[in-house]
Amino acid sequence: GAGVSQSPSNKVTEKGKDVELRCDPISGHTALYWYRQSLGQGLEFLIYFQGNSAPDKSGLPSDRFSAERTGGSVSTLTIQRTQQEDSAVYLCASSLGLLDSGNTIYFGEGSWLTVV
Amino acid sequence: GDSVTQMEGPVTLSEEAFLTINCTYTATGYPSLFWYVQYPGEGLQLLLKATKADDKGSNKGFEATYRKETTSFHLEKGSVQVSDSAVYFCALSDGKSGANSKLTFGKGITLSVRP
Repeated sequence: GAGVSQSPSNKVTEKGKDVELRCDPISGHTALYWYRQSLGQGLEFLIYFQGNSAPDKSGLPSDRFSAERTGGSVSTLTIQRTQQEDSAVYLCASSLGLLDSGNTIYFGEGSWLTVV
Repeated sequence: GDSVTQMEGPVTLSEEAFLTINCTYTATGYPSLFWYVQYPGEGLQLLLKATKADDKGSNKGFEATYRKETTSFHLEKGSVQVSDSAVYFCALSDGKSGANSKLTFGKGITLSVRP
């Protein structure tokens, strides 16, 4: 597609439920990133993929968070047993290759998650 | 670890005023530096970037110069417009080969421009 596509754009869920957020990167982009944007907290790195592998998972806040990428394309971020502090905008981004090669990251519009 | 510090906001200016948004960084190695902008209701967009010391990034009338000696990448525009109202994020990538390919962002600053 023309840009990074995320779904759903908005999700309201009850505390304790699991949620899945989907990201479809720009066609041909091998690197894919997940960030979280919370009010007053800026942008927090969660995880990135190069192809289907995740060299850096250091930003995942807890073991309730997981992500996978299959076929070198679509990625899913799963949050289990959601808590109110998980409420945030989850941003996905992609780049043609790794950033040390001078590539640019392109962001999707985000999935706004509200846990009630 | 790497970090980016932006000046506290929000910032409110009148149209045609001069804009400076300060950004300083801490990083090992030779990072690339970026400014991203988020317009109301839209996703983050790359505004400009600089990949080595003394490089100047520019776009849409905005400029920022990579200053290694002061570890800064301040954003400037000579005459702001109402349409520049947005949230601005300074960011760096640490440039390490392969292993650590991600952007580290500052907290962002909201700019409002009055007609």
